[in-house]
Amino acid sequence: AQSVTQPDIHITVSEGASLELRCNYSYGATPYLFWYVQSPGQGLQLLLKYFSGDTLVQGIKGFEAEFKRSQSSFNLRKPSVHWSDAAEYFCAVGGTNRDDKIIFGKGTRLHILP
Amino acid sequence: DTAVSQTPKYLVTQMGNDKSIKCEQNLGHDTMYWYKQDSKKFLKIMFSYNNKELIINETVPNRFSPKSPDKAHLNLHINSLELGDSAVYFCASRALAGGANTGELFFGEGSRLTVL
Repeated sequence: AQSVTQPDIHITVSEGASLELRCNYSYGATPYLFWYVQSPGQGLQLLLKYFSGDTLVQGIKGFEAEFKRSQSSFNLRKPSVHWSDAAEYFCAVGGTNRDDKIIFGKGTRLHILP
Repeated sequence: DTAVSQTPKYLVTQMGNDKSIKCEQNLGHDTMYWYKQDSKKFLKIMFSYNNKELIINETVPNRFSPKSPDKAHLNLHINSLELGDSAVYFCASRALAGGANTGELFFGEGSRLTVL
């Protein structure tokens, strides 16, 4: 069955510190993987995605993620966080057939300390 | 020029009423979705339409009825509203083939439904 696990519900980091948000997935075929960010009262914005090729993908706002097939993981990283990065982050997995679903993890709330 | 737009942004209504949410996308995508986000921020897929055809229909009460009059529009009608229907409902669209953005979901800003 298709599933996404984000083990950390909340993470707090100091401004300027590095960040890693964890994501593990279960998917029966080659996964299409996504990270989305949601600011309060807003919709979801795509940070980055992995379909194939280089397993280290670069996204917007200085984020990157690494696909590790052996660990079924797609962790999100940023070398130095800014106060504006405080938001909810969602990992998602799915396919691109018409009956494929994009399934989301439960999200990780990122708090930034000044 | 909003890519995926939903109306209304807020609905406050009484139990037992009927309400509708409308969604439009101007991205030329062939597939549209409704997701429900509960108070704990969990996003659950409800429905998808591909070229006006219902494809995904999750375990959703039949009080919820989606309708897609054309590829660019997907509406959600909810009958006999219950307290548990209070949530944020997100419309999303994506292209399934061709182009750099294939496969990724583009979301609207959400419609917050409060049932009293």
